[in-house]
Amino acid sequence: GQNIDQPTEMTATEGAIVQINCTYQTSGFNGLFWYQQHAGEAPTFLSYNVLDGLEEKGRFSSFLSRSKGYSYLLLKELQMKDSASYLCAPMDSNYQLIWGAGTKLIIKP
Amino acid sequence: GAVVSQHPSRVICKSGTSVKIECRSLDFQATTMFWYRQFPKKSLMLMATSNEGSKATYEQGVEKDKFLINHASLTLSTLTVTSAHPEDSSFYICSARGDREVHEQYFGPGTRLTVT
Repeated sequence: GQNIDQPTEMTATEGAIVQINCTYQTSGFNGLFWYQQHAGEAPTFLSYNVLDGLEEKGRFSSFLSRSKGYSYLLLKELQMKDSASYLCAPMDSNYQLIWGAGTKLIIKP
Repeated sequence: GAVVSQHPSRVICKSGTSVKIECRSLDFQATTMFWYRQFPKKSLMLMATSNEGSKATYEQGVEKDKFLINHASLTLSTLTVTSAHPEDSSFYICSARGDREVHEQYFGPGTRLTVT
């Protein structure tokens, strides 16, 4: 079957760094997406990894290891507005996104 | 990036009535559109996938006669919730994909449906 595993909730301090881990199992693989979702809003795209390694984009970086079925999202210099849910979504062989419940990130001053 | 709009953003309707939600791709041709629903603190659940000009493909457990999907043009798809009941109250989100990059999917802002 297809499965996503992320921590349900994490707490971090403003200005710090946090890493959100994701392990997945899918039928085929066409890359992995990270989305940010604020309460009551639709997801917004953060990153896409299809090859192994680290992709850096400003304060956010995403890492992928296909052999391990593992990815992480790294957020640096945390700001209060980063409080949101972060969704790890691999794409299967049919180019369908597989969704988990996401990780709720709480930023404290 | 590409823009997808949804209308309405919020709707409250009475039980037994039908509600139509529109999803439009504003600056690209969406060959495929996806409809999701999301309950509070839960993951997005794919309801159906629609390709322009053909019938939608519904996920297991989703009633196609209750959730009518029409994808009549390359920029518009509609979801009609027929004979709505309170348990249909949810956040409905559409996303659209063009034919240039199959991995790119753009989300609309979502529609909050409340059935009283």
